[in-house]
Amino acid sequence: AQSVAQPEDQVNVAEGNPLTVKCTYSVSGNPYLFWYVQYPNRGLQFLLKYITGDNLVKGSYGFEAEFNKSQTSFHLKKPSALVSDSALYFCAVRGGLKPGGADGLTFGKGTHLIIQP
Amino acid sequence: GAGVSQTPSNKVTEKGKYVELRCDPISGHTALYWYRQSLGQGPEFLIYFQGTGAADDSGLPNDRFFAVRPEGSVSTLKIQRTERGDSAVYLCASSPWRSSTDTQYFGPGTRLTVL
Repeated sequence: AQSVAQPEDQVNVAEGNPLTVKCTYSVSGNPYLFWYVQYPNRGLQFLLKYITGDNLVKGSYGFEAEFNKSQTSFHLKKPSALVSDSALYFCAVRGGLKPGGADGLTFGKGTHLIIQP
Repeated sequence: GAGVSQTPSNKVTEKGKYVELRCDPISGHTALYWYRQSLGQGPEFLIYFQGTGAADDSGLPNDRFFAVRPEGSVSTLKIQRTERGDSAVYLCASSPWRSSTDTQYFGPGTRLTVL
């Protein structure tokens, strides 16, 4: 079975500082990893994904994530936080071994990111 | 272009009643997913359609839950004899093809409240 852990319920960062939201995963075979953001009363918005290749993945709104196979981690990062980045962030994984391809994503519990002015 | 749409946005019902939740995927997307998000939790997978057929329904919690996609586009999630524990936000997502690497694009969700 696959799983995702987001160890922090909440992360507080001052505006302009770098931010990191942590994610670790467990999956059979090659992992396909995703980050989504959720604003209040809205659906999930895709930020970025890792499939293969370069361990540093760049996504929307200046976010990036670093895949680390040995640590089974996929932390979300941004060099300079904005107040508008405040939202709920979800890490998700899908294993690539299931016959027939795509099954559902497995999500972490989410991390509230709060950027203080 | 238009994203994934879901109707209704909110549904309040009484325990024991039947409800239907609708999802309109992005035009041309062949894969469609339903998830359930309980308060304070991440979304949990319910069922996945490839075209008209349910390719994986392993996430459906019990036989009160059923979903259809008769023409390979719009999907309806059906819940019979609703219970208070069914209260959650039900999310629908679609992706272009059935690949593990495809991005799933989510709708705004339907908030179901069972009184």
